[in-house]
Amino acid sequence: KAGVTQTPRYLIKTRGQQVTLSCSPISGHRSVSWYQQTPGQGLQFLFEYFSETQRNKGNFPGRFSGRQFSNSRSEMNVSTLELGDSALYLCASSRSQETQYFGPGTRLLVL
Amino acid sequence: DAKTTQPNSMESNEEEPVHLPCNHSTISGTDYIHWYRQLPSQGPEYVIHGLTSNVNNRMASLAIAEDRKSSTLILHRATLRDAAVYYCILRDRPGGSEKLVFGKGTKLTVNP
Repeated sequence: KAGVTQTPRYLIKTRGQQVTLSCSPISGHRSVSWYQQTPGQGLQFLFEYFSETQRNKGNFPGRFSGRQFSNSRSEMNVSTLELGDSALYLCASSRSQETQYFGPGTRLLVL
Repeated sequence: DAKTTQPNSMESNEEEPVHLPCNHSTISGTDYIHWYRQLPSQGPEYVIHGLTSNVNNRMASLAIAEDRKSSTLILHRATLRDAAVYYCILRDRPGGSEKLVFGKGTKLTVNP
């Protein structure tokens, strides 16, 4: 069974730009969660989607948004990028209420 | 969110057992204790979880104190591949959130 895949794996953007990251969950998993990992703040929960609906949201500004498609694939978008948005963005999928499986992450660098 | 406390780092020798402690004094009756680990340059991976009884799987064992205020992840024979950051997380279920609240974790170094 294929694991969680994330694209792209690496990305460089400049301040003010916007970026879209993609996550394909494990087949059959309907829940997709997103996390941001930085050296200073560690792993922080961004939001979770289940059946195309946002079910949970972390404490991030509105510049961070996401969506989920009918095939459970998910995208997250960050608008008006700031230097502090440089991070590893991780996606995790699960059958609801079960073990979460993480992807390898997308490393975003904002210059 | 209930909090956990772990040592910042621990060191072990290859092929020796490793006991990684976690304190969770404010754990509620419905909180499950989960352990994930993150190898260098990878996303976190699930290790084990339990509620009250000790648990074993092919990766590790989880020993839970009788009062559930602490637990210990046991790697029976550490290998170099076990060098990672280990996170102890409390998770409410059923009906709880998918949200995992990660602390700083314990960075495990395994010496050859």
